[in-house]
Parts: sequence; C-alpha cells; structure tokens
Amino acid sequence: ETGVTQSPTHLIKTRGQQVTLRCSSQSGHNTVSWYQQALGQGPQFIFQYYREEENGRGNFPPRFSGLQFPNYSSELNVNALELDDSALYLCASSLVIGGRSYEQFFGPGTRLTVL
Amino acid sequence: TQLLEQSPQFLSIQEGENLTVYCNSSSVFSSLQWYRQEPGEGPVLLVTVVTGGEVKKLKRLTFQFGDARKDSSLHITAAQPGDTGLYLCAGPGANSKLTFGKGITLSVRP
Repeated sequence: ETGVTQSPTHLIKTRGQQVTLRCSSQSGHNTVSWYQQALGQGPQFIFQYYREEENGRGNFPPRFSGLQFPNYSSELNVNALELDDSALYLCASSLVIGGRSYEQFFGPGTRLTVL
Repeated sequence: TQLLEQSPQFLSIQEGENLTVYCNSSSVFSSLQWYRQEPGEGPVLLVTVVTGGEVKKLKRLTFQFGDARKDSSLHITAAQPGDTGLYLCAGPGANSKLTFGKGITLSVRP
C-alpha cells in the first residue's frame, strides 16, 4: 500500500508568480484535502476534492484553486503569490463512502517559500 | 467558527517526567483527534475520542475527552526523547474539514 506522496518537497518562488503543487492519494482513497500550515501554526483547511469537484472550502481567496484527476490525485494552484503564502502545504487523502468520511492520511508536505 | 486552543504552547522536560497538555474549545465537537507531527513530515493520527468522558490509552499516552465534548487532554507517562514533536488536536467540521489547534511543541531531553 502506497502512502500519500507530494511533490516537490521544497519550492522557492517570488511574489506575483504562480505555483502548482501535486499530491498522489493513498491507494483506495477517493478524497483529497489540502491544508496550509504556517510556521508555528496548526494546519488550516484550504479545500477538499471529491469525485473531481471541490467539496468544501476554507477561508482562502480564489487565487487558491485545485483539481482532482480520475486517478484521485490532485493539484493545488496558487496564483499571484504573496509573501504570506510561505508555508508548508499538506495534502491528506481519505475514503468517503455514503457520506461517511474515514481517517485522513497526510503526506509529508511541500515547503513553499515566497521571496 | 469552531476554535481549538491548545496549552501550553511549548514544553521542555527531562526524560522520565510526566506531563499533561490540553485542548479546549467553547464549541461542542462530535469527536476530537490528536496528531503528532515531526519535522519534515505530515501529521500522524494518534487517537480519535468520540464519547464524552472517554479515556483511551496508547502505550504511555492517555487521552481523555471532556464530559461536555468541548475539551480533551493528553497525558504522557515517563516521557522519552522519541515523544518529541508537535502535538495537534483537531475536530471535524462540515465536508470532512478538520479544524486544528496551533499545536504544542514538546521537547524531551535525554
């Protein structure tokens, strides 16, 4: 069984640029959630994808967008990067059946630095 | 908005000591989860408590859910350096969203 993987591990961008982060969900999981973890903070929910559609969103602006693919992998896109976007971005996959959500498993994260 | 406050924020203790840390909210949660996160890794689920007053043990870790389901505690007996990490509590919201506290950074010195 393959766990949740994320790429890249680290990334450095400058203000105004765009970034794409990738996540491969754990085998058998159909749902992916993205979280932003700033230094010294707990993870904050960005959004969740289920059946290739956004299924819930946290308090993040529209320049944060995502995709889920038929194989349940996912991308997080951030446009017009700001300094405050510097954080660890975590992807978590889970199995949702009949509205019931099972445990979320987290990937190791992508460390994004915006200069 | 459901908020989870964790205390203390930082804790540094000697190997062998006992400790208790807390997760509090003014909101009722259907369940609470505790995670441990190590540097360079994502959070790993330790336990989920569901019933008010519930106590769960995981080796030297004891988790308790408050009777009113608004708070939880984690007690570690005879802490070891391997217990070092960031301890996060989290509660479920709509659409499987997890609301996390800021976490407790624990350092256990040999």
